[in-house]
Amino acid sequence: EAEVAQSPRYKITEKSQAVAFWCDPISGHATLYWYRQILGQGPELLVQFQDESVVDDSQLPKDRFSAERLKGVDSTLKIQPAELGDSAMYLCASSLDVSEAFFGQGTRLTVV
Amino acid sequence: GENVEQHPSTLSVQEGDSAVIKCTYSDSASNYFPWYKQELGKGPQLIIDIRSNVGEKKDQRIAVTLNKTAKHFSLHITETQPEDSAVYFCAASSGGGADGLTFGKGTHLIIQP
Repeated sequence: EAEVAQSPRYKITEKSQAVAFWCDPISGHATLYWYRQILGQGPELLVQFQDESVVDDSQLPKDRFSAERLKGVDSTLKIQPAELGDSAMYLCASSLDVSEAFFGQGTRLTVV
Repeated sequence: GENVEQHPSTLSVQEGDSAVIKCTYSDSASNYFPWYKQELGKGPQLIIDIRSNVGEKKDQRIAVTLNKTAKHFSLHITETQPEDSAVYFCAASSGGGADGLTFGKGTHLIIQP
C-alpha cells in the first residue's frame, strides 16, 4: 500500500540551529500539506502545495520557516533558526483530488 | 476562521461497550467532517468522514452523525476492542475535502479489558 514517506523520524537540535524535514508524497498526489502538531493538540496547517505552487501559507511563520516543492513531487520544510517553541511533530500529508488526506508518520522535533 | 471543539479529552470505556465522541464547529459554511485515529508514534489515519448532504454514515462498528442546524457531529464506536485505544481527532473544512481542515484537540480513548 502506498504511503507518505517522511524523514527523519526524530530530530534533536539546539536552538538557533537550522533544521530540515523531507516528505515524499504518494505517487501522483498533486496536493501536499505540512502540518505542525504540538503535544496534546490537533494538527495545524502550515503550508499547502498544489504541484509546485504554494496555495496557502497563511499560518507559516515566514521569518523562520520556509517550504519548497521544486519539481512538484517531494518537499522540504526548513526552520532557521530553531526556537524552543518549535518542538512538535511535523506531519506531511498528500491528496490526489483533495477528497482525502493521507498522513505520513511525522518527524518528531525536539529543540534544546 | 473555523473553530472546532472536541469533547471529552479522555474517555475510558469497558471492552465491548460503546464510545461516543462529540465535536462542534463554528463556521456554517463547513461541509466536510472527517474523523482521524492516531496511534502512538504514527500519523493520523482517516477512519470515516461525512459530508453536509448526509446526516449519518456507518462503516461496520463505526458511525458518524451530523446535525447541521446545531453545528455538531459525533463519532460512535460500538463493541469496542483493545485495538480501538488511540487518540481520535475530528476536523472540519468548507472546501468539501482535505483543503483547509481545522482539527479538534483530540480525545484519548482508553479501552479497559
